[in-house]
Amino acid sequence: DSGVTQTPKHLITATGQRVTLRCSPRSGDLSVYWYQQSLDQGLQFLIQYYNGEERAKGNILERFSAQQFPDLHSELNLSSLELGDSALYFCASSVGHVGSLTGELFFGEGSRLTVL
Amino acid sequence: DQQVKQNSPSLSVQEGRISILNCDYTNSMFDYFLWYKKYPAEGPTFLISISSIKDKNEDGRFTVFLNKSAKHLSLHIVPSQPGDSAVYFCADNSGGSNYKLTFGKGTLLTVNP
Repeated sequence: DSGVTQTPKHLITATGQRVTLRCSPRSGDLSVYWYQQSLDQGLQFLIQYYNGEERAKGNILERFSAQQFPDLHSELNLSSLELGDSALYFCASSVGHVGSLTGELFFGEGSRLTVL
Repeated sequence: DQQVKQNSPSLSVQEGRISILNCDYTNSMFDYFLWYKKYPAEGPTFLISISSIKDKNEDGRFTVFLNKSAKHLSLHIVPSQPGDSAVYFCADNSGGSNYKLTFGKGTLLTVNP
């Protein structure tokens, strides 16, 4: 158990809809990351938050947005869903301060989104 | 932009033999490379890392080698066990206070009993 909790584990929805994925980081971790894993693709970095502020942005679509709340949990909002958005969405957390040098991330089990 | 490439989508080895997983990168500006292991229906878990100032790091059955001149990274598992069957991702760490990792597409390792 990594200590990172993601909900829901599975989600099936229709094109054009909007969904919200939720992530609770490990206790004490200030950074939250979102990654997308599509079929035959590696883990694609979407976005990172550190202590409530956006820190880094990757290949995140404009239809997607995220935020990190004061209690450090994070939500990833996916709107106007398309078939190609079907993927595993992973949340990860890290200590996120300068003292951690290896960059190790702790991943949740993922949320599997299926868009029909 | 950093690219991390794992050119072998799959690898099959016999139990007890060595597994060698490879990774190539394009950009030399990094602090660490990391290997993650992923079982089905689970999130990736950290396995081992190597600093850019080293050429080898060993942890039990797992050893990572870094060849900076060739921009090549490899993970050796000796001896391989059936429980090692998983997808292995290499990743690079952009360093500093931003721990964004760039992952390869992964290599599926199957260790046959």
